[in-house]
Amino acid sequence: SYELTQPPSVSVSPGQTASITCSGDKLGDKYACWYQQKPGQSPVLVIYQDNKRPSGIPERFSGSNSGNTATLTISGTQAMDEADYYCQAWDSNTVIFGGGTKLTVL
Amino acid sequence: EVQLLESGGDLVQPGGSLRLSCAASGFTFSSSAMSWVRQAPGKGLEWVSSISNSGGTTYYADSVKGRFTISRVNSKSTLYLQMHSLRAEDTALYYCAKDQVAAAGPPFDYWGQGTLVTVSS
Repeated sequence: SYELTQPPSVSVSPGQTASITCSGDKLGDKYACWYQQKPGQSPVLVIYQDNKRPSGIPERFSGSNSGNTATLTISGTQAMDEADYYCQAWDSNTVIFGGGTKLTVL
Repeated sequence: EVQLLESGGDLVQPGGSLRLSCAASGFTFSSSAMSWVRQAPGKGLEWVSSISNSGGTTYYADSVKGRFTISRVNSKSTLYLQMHSLRAEDTALYYCAKDQVAAAGPPFDYWGQGTLVTVSS
């Protein structure tokens, strides 16, 4: 079965750029999307179709997807961006989530 | 404003059954596929099932195939998840999510607050 692999944790200083990766076999041939989940809250879609932002999502969130890796980039990271981030893809009529990455802003 | 309100979560014994509901509002329910996603305590997101806008196509995770059934009643703007033969590993917060398009599949652009299912004796 298809798997998506994310690093368990990423740390970034305020104002710096955070990059969270998601790896899967030929992931670049599929669309990837990303969700942000803060403690006690429901997930929020932040990137879809590799690099599109839903309305209301700040421009500092961007995405890319090529080869075997999709990347969520947060430019000028703010304290409010501290959360768990999950990548997602669709393969063989199945929705796959990555294991999640805890982003710490310190 | 899109709203998804789940209900039906409860404490149930192993082997038992439960039906979850998700009442939708704020969008044309019959135009969107819908999905269920669960999250075990302290764990990540796990997709459970998706259904197309018409209800004619359904998809299931292997972990629930044959035990869970997704359905919808468009006239009531309501999504359901019928769960049978529940196991301890089904314990989770179950989210209802709206798919962005009519055909089932990601992305999920709106999520409910979840309903808690606990399977324990």
